[in-house]
This record gives sequence, structure tokens and C-alpha cells, in this order.
Amino acid sequence: KQEVTQIPAALSVPEGENLVLNCSFTDSAIYNLQWFRQDPGKGLTSLLLIQSSQREQTSGRLNASLDKSSGRSTLYIAASQPGDSATYLCAVASYNTDKLIFGTGTRLQVFP
Amino acid sequence: NAGVTQTPKFQVLKTGQSMTLQCAQDMNHNSMYWYRQDPGMGLRLIYYSASEGTTDKGEVPNGYNVSRLNKREFSLRLESAAPSQTSVYFCAADRGRFRNTGELFFGEGSRLTVL
Repeated sequence: KQEVTQIPAALSVPEGENLVLNCSFTDSAIYNLQWFRQDPGKGLTSLLLIQSSQREQTSGRLNASLDKSSGRSTLYIAASQPGDSATYLCAVASYNTDKLIFGTGTRLQVFP
Repeated sequence: NAGVTQTPKFQVLKTGQSMTLQCAQDMNHNSMYWYRQDPGMGLRLIYYSASEGTTDKGEVPNGYNVSRLNKREFSLRLESAAPSQTSVYFCAADRGRFRNTGELFFGEGSRLTVL
């Protein structure tokens, strides 16, 4: 059974810092991994999608990497801003389950 | 461009009452999903519909029923609400039919409290 874990559960940093959010998964037979952002009281917005054949994806100040063999993905946020404050979730689509399995998220606060 | 629309946004029920959460998407996507989100547990899949006319159980289906009325609409029904069903419910749609493509769009959620 696929299990997805995100560490840390919460993170508070000053504006301008570069930071890394971690996601680990137990079943490496995945076909994609996604990172989502969730603002308080809102739905999820997809940030980056990495297919199993890819090593990383970039969008603006965000860079996500994937290492299937070790069951890990990282989301790198460069030059963090207060507007980045949100909960970040990773989700894995596995061949065995064929449906997205979500981590519990990392709640990020960036203060001025 | 609404995307995925859920109604109602908030609802309070008494134990034993029934209600239906409505979801509609205007993207012509094939598959639709219902998740619940609880503190410390992430999003858990309740039911999904890979295509119009089909529905399947997810991780936590007990106490729920679904209907894929047409390609646009996917409703979630609680026949006899219990306090354990207090949660935030999210509907999502994906253009893929039998496999998540990575283009998953979420509604803004329906916050349900069962007293």
C-alpha cells in the first residue's frame, strides 16, 4: 500500500530564504508525482507535475525533483515571499493503486 | 471559467440526517473524484468515477453513495450522517479516463459539520 509522508509538518521562515520541502513514498512504482498548494479555506492548486521518466520540473521560483529509487521528492522554493505562505501537499499516482495518494502536507509561513 | 463548482460550501447536520453534496465541472473532463480532508490525515479518496456511467470505491467509502449523473456532474450523498463524517469535502476532475494524468482540478470544498 502506498504511503506518502511529508516532513516537516510546519515551517516558518523569514522572507528571502531558500527552502526545501520533502516528500517520501513507500512504493516506487509510480507514474507521476504532483505538488499542490492549498490556501486556507480553499481547494488545491496544482503547482508542478513530474512524470516518472523525469528527474525534475521547474516553474518560476519553484523546482521539484524526483528520485524514484529512494522514494523521495523535494520542492525547492527560491527567495521565499509572504505570498508563498500556504500548505504544500505532494501526491503520488502509483501503478498499483492508479489513484492519487496524498501526503498530509507542510504548512509554510513566510514572515516579512 | 468556473472549473469545478461545489455546493453547498457550508452545511451543519444533525446525526441521522441525510444530504447530498453537488459537484459540477465545465472542462469536459472524463474522471471525477470525491475526497475528504481531515486534520493530520491528508486527503483521502471516498469515491471516483473514471467515466460517465461508472463509479468505484476509494479508500474510505463507508457511509457514502455517489451518482455520476452525466459527464458534468458527480454527487456525493450521506444517507445517515454521523459525527465521524464531519470534514471538508473536495470534488476534483481530471481529463484522464482511467488514470490520473496530472491535470487534476479541485473545487473549493464543502465544509460539513455533523452534530
